[in-house]
Amino acid sequence: DGGITQSPKYLFRKEGQNVTLSCEQNLNHDAMYWYRQDPGQGLRLIYYSQIVNDFQKGDIAEGYSVSREKKESFPLTVTSAQKNPTAFYLCASSTRVKSNQPQHFGDGTRLSIL
Amino acid sequence: QQQVKQSPQSLIVQKGGISIINCAYENTAFDYFPWYQQFPGKGPALLIAIRPDVSEKKEGRFTISFNKSAKQFSLHIMDSQPGDSATYFCAASMFVSGSRLTFGEGTQLTVNP
Repeated sequence: DGGITQSPKYLFRKEGQNVTLSCEQNLNHDAMYWYRQDPGQGLRLIYYSQIVNDFQKGDIAEGYSVSREKKESFPLTVTSAQKNPTAFYLCASSTRVKSNQPQHFGDGTRLSIL
Repeated sequence: QQQVKQSPQSLIVQKGGISIINCAYENTAFDYFPWYQQFPGKGPALLIAIRPDVSEKKEGRFTISFNKSAKQFSLHIMDSQPGDSATYFCAASMFVSGSRLTFGEGTQLTVNP
């Protein structure tokens, strides 16, 4: 079955540590997205990528970094510069970047501070 | 201008009742309005979507009503069931920005048996 796989499901970060969240899709989608979800704030866009080797900042990119070396993969690194990283992180993908196509989501990674 | 405002924050409905969630937007360039359903510990899943050239779209028990002049759209869940208990998000996007979505804050729906 096609879909989006996020790993790990739970992740703990120590102070000053960088952590990387994995997102893999086998839907052959062009575009991929990272969102942060906090209670009562909906989903906020961190970064998105429309094609391989290209990505753009979203609304809350500070303290995060991404790469898009393969179409299937869009890992997110939460750096030590992100002072409040505790949240639920969601990865999504969609097809045909320049048209309004639905986004398909993974089941998220919950990140907590130790 | 990019915001989408959603209300209510939480909603409790009896089984068989109608659940109504409302969203309002400012940016008239938005041209795609999806609704997502999210269960605890899961990612959101597309429920139903509408474009501004129609005023209503119905899929089973779920209906979107769209009022272009008021810049508002709403989700109606008819004959609400306990299995509908979830968080619902409205969203909006513009053709020129591809599939980049702006989400509302979410509504936690509880349907009592």
